[in-house]
Amino acid sequence: GQQLNQSPQSMFIQEGEDVSMNCTSSSIFNTWLWYKQDPGEGPVLLIALYKAGELTSNGRLTAQFGITRKDSFLNISASIPSDVGIYFCAGFPNFGNEKLTFGTGTRLTIIP
Amino acid sequence: DAGVIQSPRHEVTEMGQEVTLRCKPISGHNSLFWYRQTMMRGLELLIYFNNNVPIDDSGMPEDRFSAKMPNASFSTLKIQPSEPRDSAVYFCASSRDLLATQYFGPGTRLLVL
Repeated sequence: GQQLNQSPQSMFIQEGEDVSMNCTSSSIFNTWLWYKQDPGEGPVLLIALYKAGELTSNGRLTAQFGITRKDSFLNISASIPSDVGIYFCAGFPNFGNEKLTFGTGTRLTIIP
Repeated sequence: DAGVIQSPRHEVTEMGQEVTLRCKPISGHNSLFWYRQTMMRGLELLIYFNNNVPIDDSGMPEDRFSAKMPNASFSTLKIQPSEPRDSAVYFCASSRDLLATQYFGPGTRLLVL
């Protein structure tokens, strides 16, 4: 099935650094979601975006719904060790399409 | 509040055996989804239900896979007979309705030998 293009695939950063990742698609999405998956667990919702241009924060996390409806980014400020994990973007491709499409994931590793 | 509950958390079985995975969605959620996650293919949607009715099972890989939702608080995913290539993590997710945010369970890690 269709997958969102998520980049980068992996990141190695030092604690305290800021992180930025994004998701792009060739088609329009009307909802963007960002999930985090810890090892051995299921994806946990971080941020949900419902409107083009919307910018939403959740603590140190900030995500935006691209104005073209074809992209979204997630920023993490001042990373800490518990930020380690895999981050997935997801979205509903177009109005009425009820199948949630997932990105390929960004694996975040923090170097002590 | 209890989240999505899945059991078992881990399952090791031999090829040819029947495997049944269980899911209890969040109370009040009307939609339930079964996903499979592998390194090669990422997260794949297998089947989803709305108000206990299967809506789309086009993601089910083969006839060996079947899913049921006999009531609003319980669903099963069955693999019979199981094969080594079925080894993966199987997630159940639920949402208030089909276009609402999905909440995932902790997953069942299946290993077929």
